[in-house]
Amino acid sequence: QVQLQESGPGLVKPSETLSLTCTVSGVSIRSNYWSWIRQPAGKGLEWIGRIYISETTNYNPSLKSRVTMSVDTSKNQFSLNLSSVTAADTAVYYCARDNTNYVVRGMFDYWGQGILVTVSS
Amino acid sequence: QSALTQPASVSGSPGQSITISCTGTSSDVGGYNYVSWYQQHPGKAPKLMIYDVSNRPSGVSNRFSGSKSGNTASLTISGLQAEDEADYYCNSYTSSSTLVFGGGTKLTVL
Repeated sequence: QVQLQESGPGLVKPSETLSLTCTVSGVSIRSNYWSWIRQPAGKGLEWIGRIYISETTNYNPSLKSRVTMSVDTSKNQFSLNLSSVTAADTAVYYCARDNTNYVVRGMFDYWGQGILVTVSS
Repeated sequence: QSALTQPASVSGSPGQSITISCTGTSSDVGGYNYVSWYQQHPGKAPKLMIYDVSNRPSGVSNRFSGSKSGNTASLTISGLQAEDEADYYCNSYTSSSTLVFGGGTKLTVL
């Protein structure tokens, strides 16, 4: 079955870059769109952006200047880099599959368990 | 982009039906049939309940249904059960080729 697993540092210093990886199993990363979504403690979900094998990306306009996503097909992984972080970026970060052929459909049928990233010195 | 508007909380008794609204604009909810709904229990990842306004994924109870009228989408849960108590989120495709979530609704089963 399809499984996603986030990994990366749980603590990042202010002004530094947050880097997370999502390892996908059970399906080829080539055949789908993959998103990152975050959720600050006690708050709602925020879509960060998505990526496809061809490095096609769509980003949340409010984060676009700080976000970079990439895909590693050899490892069946995709990654998120968020630069110049502040305490406001502290959240649980989820990776998810967007079951779509092109449109940012928001049909996230498989999710990782989430990883808490805290921004603090 | 602004978050879609959901009521902060709704409640109902077991067996009753409740409806959660998700209001956007003609540039998102009203303009496309790409609205999804998620259920999230504390400490867990969200679970897809409805996609493309009114479609249920395999394995989701038919007590859950979705609809849309104008710029407002709705999730209806019939025959409310204790395990339905959770947070619910909607999302929608936007005219900017991005995605926006609603602020979330806490459902309490009395």
